[in-house]
Amino acid sequence: AQKVTQAQTEISVVEKEDVTLDCVYETRDTTYYLFWYKQPPSGELVFLIRRNSFDEQNEISGRYSWNFQKSTSSFNFTITASQVVDSAVYFCALSEARGGSEKLVFGKGTKLTVNP
Amino acid sequence: GAGVSQTPSNKVTEKGKYVELRCDPISGHTALYWYRQSLGQGPEFLIYFQGTGAADDSGLPNDRFFAVRPEGSVSTLKIQRTERGDSAVYLCASSLGSGVNYEQYFGPGTRLTVT
Repeated sequence: AQKVTQAQTEISVVEKEDVTLDCVYETRDTTYYLFWYKQPPSGELVFLIRRNSFDEQNEISGRYSWNFQKSTSSFNFTITASQVVDSAVYFCALSEARGGSEKLVFGKGTKLTVNP
Repeated sequence: GAGVSQTPSNKVTEKGKYVELRCDPISGHTALYWYRQSLGQGPEFLIYFQGTGAADDSGLPNDRFFAVRPEGSVSTLKIQRTERGDSAVYLCASSLGSGVNYEQYFGPGTRLTVT
């Protein structure tokens, strides 16, 4: 069965600090996709990144970076030089690449608070 | 452009009543998903439509929950004999096509409170 674990329930940092959000996943499939979503206080989930299981290259997008390690089944997310606007709940999610349903299995989320 | 819209934004109902929650996907999106998010939890999958048909309804918790998408666009999630445990935010998402290469765009959700 698929499972996503985000062990950090809440994290609080001061602006400009770097912060890493952890994500560990479980799946029996060899082909799968991993995602990160941001849920600001307004409530709408915002897509951040999608990664397939065959691409272990780390990715950087501005202040955001992602570290995918199949050996430890982890897909961690780092925000560099955090800003108050980064305050939100962040969800890691997994989808198995099976035809017919591309449902996402989400972790419980990590609430990030960036203080000025 | 218009995103996914959901109505109502808030719904308060009494235990035992019937409710309908509506989702308007992004125009042209053929895939539509319903998720349920309880307080402090991540969204949980309920049902997935490709076009008019429910391709995967494995997440519906019981037969009190039903969803339709008769014309392949708007979808309605229907809950009969509501229970207090049904209280949650119900999220709808749509994507341009079927498959994980298509990003799911989420709506703002409907907050359902069963008293």
